[in-house]
Amino acid sequence: GNSVTQMEGPVTLSEEAFLTINCTYTATGYPSLFWYVQYPGEGLQLLLKATKADDKGSNKGFEATYRKETTSFHLEKGSVQVSDSAVYFCALLYGNKLVFGAGTILRVKS
Amino acid sequence: DTAVSQTPKYLVTQMGNDKSIKCEQNLGHDTMYWYKQDSKKFLKIMFSYNNKELIINETVPNRFSPKSPDKAHLNLHINSLELGDSAVYFCASSQDGRGDEQFFGPGTRLTVL
Repeated sequence: GNSVTQMEGPVTLSEEAFLTINCTYTATGYPSLFWYVQYPGEGLQLLLKATKADDKGSNKGFEATYRKETTSFHLEKGSVQVSDSAVYFCALLYGNKLVFGAGTILRVKS
Repeated sequence: DTAVSQTPKYLVTQMGNDKSIKCEQNLGHDTMYWYKQDSKKFLKIMFSYNNKELIINETVPNRFSPKSPDKAHLNLHINSLELGDSAVYFCASSQDGRGDEQFFGPGTRLTVL
């Protein structure tokens, strides 16, 4: 079936550290891929997306590249801030349904 | 000006009761969704309506019934509440039925005692 696997958290980093959150997927065909972010007490917000192989999505300093050969869509940021502390969800679009990973908690300490 | 709003934000109730959660979007989108997020943050689609027509209906107990009076509103009614229904319920909307770029509401935390 179609599924998304994310690295387990929580991920704890110091401010200005480099961030990588791994995401791999299993899917039929080539689905669109997304990263959503959920700040404490809020709903999810779309962070970035990529619709085809080798596409790079980027927003607010975050980036992720759609890698067909490794079925991956890892999220990266060069220098995290305390305000980036949140839960990050990787997702794929299968038909008209979003299938989410389990989420990765990121904690950034000052 | 909230894009996707839900009421109530918190709902505490006894087992066996019937309750409703309301959702409204002012984005002019055609499609709305209900998701359930469990205590481990796992998020799963429950239902989706496109222009008041049900297009996604996942394996959900029939105690859960969505209703869409118009394309800007999608309500969720739950009968005979059980302990396992405790979760955060999120409403979302998207421009069309493809499911791309969904906008989420702030969530309703349901606690069943």
